[in-house]
Amino acid sequence: DAGVTQSPTHLIKTRGQQVTLRCSPKSGHDTVSWYQQALGQGPQFIFQYYEEEERQRGNFPDRFSGHQFPNYSSELNVNALLLGDSALYLCASSSDREGNEQFFGPGTRLTVL
Amino acid sequence: AQSVSQHNHHVILSEAASLELGCNYSYGGTVNLFWYVQYPGQHLQLLLKYFSGDPLVKGIKGFEAEFIKSKFSFNLRKPSVQWSDTAEYFCAVGMISGGSYIPTFGRGTSLIVHP
Repeated sequence: DAGVTQSPTHLIKTRGQQVTLRCSPKSGHDTVSWYQQALGQGPQFIFQYYEEEERQRGNFPDRFSGHQFPNYSSELNVNALLLGDSALYLCASSSDREGNEQFFGPGTRLTVL
Repeated sequence: AQSVSQHNHHVILSEAASLELGCNYSYGGTVNLFWYVQYPGQHLQLLLKYFSGDPLVKGIKGFEAEFIKSKFSFNLRKPSVQWSDTAEYFCAVGMISGGSYIPTFGRGTSLIVHP
């Protein structure tokens, strides 16, 4: 049983570009959350998707958007990249049936030059 | 705004020493509490969690944590650390908001255990 998978593992972009990160949840999970982890910091919540809709959002600008597909996989899109968007982006899946314990993927390391 | 504070950012111990990492949160509502660990080169893994019941929770690898509601604290402990416990430790508090359930993470504590 595969856990949470994310792609790509690393990505280099330049300022102003757009990026799409992908996540496949753990089998049986229907909720996907995205986090940004800057160097030396804890994960910061971006948003959460459930039933293909954004259920909750953290304090991130509209440049950050997402999508959830019928198979529960998810994408995170970031437009107009800034240098400060360089970070590790984590996806976590969960299920209300399992008490909302978050299972994390390995992350995508985004570098903006 | 809800927040989670981890008091120790860097901890260095020798093997067999005892460990206690502090975690406090600011939120007056119902919470679920977690400690995650991130070993070098690996992704975040759950150490232990508290939802309700006995406030003393036992997790994997000999770790335990105690929820003290009056102090808004959930400190992590281990009686005798090992070199393999070297990792980053994150406290997370799940706060129910708008019908959803969002964990807020502390900034983490880097633990180095010398053999």
